[in-house]
Amino acid sequence: AQSVSQHNHHVILSEAASLELGCNYSYGGTVNLFWYVQYPGQHLQLLLKYFSGDPLVKGIKGFEAEFIKSKFSFNLRKPSVQWSDTAEYFCAVRGGGGFKTIFGAGTRLFVKA
Amino acid sequence: NAGVMQNPRHLVRRRGQEARLRCSPMKGHSHVYWYRQLPEEGLKFMVYLQKENIIDESGMPKERFSAEFPKEGPSILRIQQVVRGDSAAYFCASSPEQEGNQPQHFGDGTRLSIL
Repeated sequence: AQSVSQHNHHVILSEAASLELGCNYSYGGTVNLFWYVQYPGQHLQLLLKYFSGDPLVKGIKGFEAEFIKSKFSFNLRKPSVQWSDTAEYFCAVRGGGGFKTIFGAGTRLFVKA
Repeated sequence: NAGVMQNPRHLVRRRGQEARLRCSPMKGHSHVYWYRQLPEEGLKFMVYLQKENIIDESGMPKERFSAEFPKEGPSILRIQQVVRGDSAAYFCASSPEQEGNQPQHFGDGTRLSIL
């Protein structure tokens, strides 16, 4: 069965610090991978997605993620966080050609100004 | 503006009442998904619908929960005889097609509180 594991439930950083949020998935076939962000009281927004091709994916707001197939990982990174990045981040996986998207438990990021 | 419209944003019900949550997908989208988000947990898939069809309801509790997506009008998630444990945020997402490189677009959610 598909599953997604996010390593940290809560992360606290100071502004300008670098960010890396871990995500590992369990699925035997081709996958589509996503990172979503949820700002307080808002809906989930797509940050970036990977379907195929270059395993280093760049998204909005300076975020990027790297797909490492051998490690079943899709970690999210940002070189320098801002206070406005305070939000909850969800990693998600969907079997290639499928429809059911499985979400991780989320990581709450708090950036201190 | 999320594009996917959910209403109400907040819904308060007493135990034993019925809750009806509505979702209008983005224009041009014919696939609707419902998720439940409990505190400190991720989104849990509940059901996937196309117009007039339930494709996968493997995440729906067997009792009290039902979903529909009629030919006309929004998708409805219905919870009968609500209990305290039903308190959660319920998110709807839509996509234009099942396959292909199309991520889901989410609505703002309905926060259901059971007194």
